[in-house]
Amino acid sequence: AQSVTQPDIHITVSEGASLELRCNYSYGATPYLFWYVQSPGQGLQLLLKYFSGDTLVQGIKGFEAEFKRSQSSFNLRKPSVHWSDAAEYFCAVGPRGSYIPTFGRGTSLIVHP
Amino acid sequence: DVKVTQSSRYLVKRTGEKVFLECVQDMDHENMFWYRQDPGLGLRLIYFSYDVKMKEKGDIPEGYSVSREKKERFSLILESASTNQTSMYLCASTLRGGLAETQYFGPGTRLLVL
Repeated sequence: AQSVTQPDIHITVSEGASLELRCNYSYGATPYLFWYVQSPGQGLQLLLKYFSGDTLVQGIKGFEAEFKRSQSSFNLRKPSVHWSDAAEYFCAVGPRGSYIPTFGRGTSLIVHP
Repeated sequence: DVKVTQSSRYLVKRTGEKVFLECVQDMDHENMFWYRQDPGLGLRLIYFSYDVKMKEKGDIPEGYSVSREKKERFSLILESASTNQTSMYLCASTLRGGLAETQYFGPGTRLLVL
């Protein structure tokens, strides 16, 4: 069965600084990979997803993620964080042909002014 | 725009009560899901449905049941609420089956069982 690890429970950055959130997965083949964001009091919103092709994926709100097969990673990045990016971020993976993704435990992003 | 709505944002119930959480999507999606979200545990799938009257157990179905009588509506039922079911409940839907489909989430229902 696939699994996904988000090693950082909390990340604190200053507004304007760059951001990288880590995600590692365990699965035999290349799975589908997702990043979701959950703003306070809201449901989850899809930021970006990777199925195949270019390993650098662009998403909404200025986020990007890079799939690295050799490291089984799909890290989320943003060059300059805004205060409104403070939220919970979830990485998710799933095997091709499945209905259901497996979610990581989430990383809480705190943005200092 | 896809809209997934949940009947309540906050709910307080007593131990032993029967609790209904309702989820409605307005985009004719085939698949609907119920997740439970707890701090440090992420999202865990309770049940999902791929068609009217069809349901499949997820990872943590114990203590829950579901109903899908109409395509747009998916209900989560706690037959006898217990304090360990205090949690945030999230509903989601997808147009069709398969992970290629984006999951659209509702805003969540925060349930407190006293």
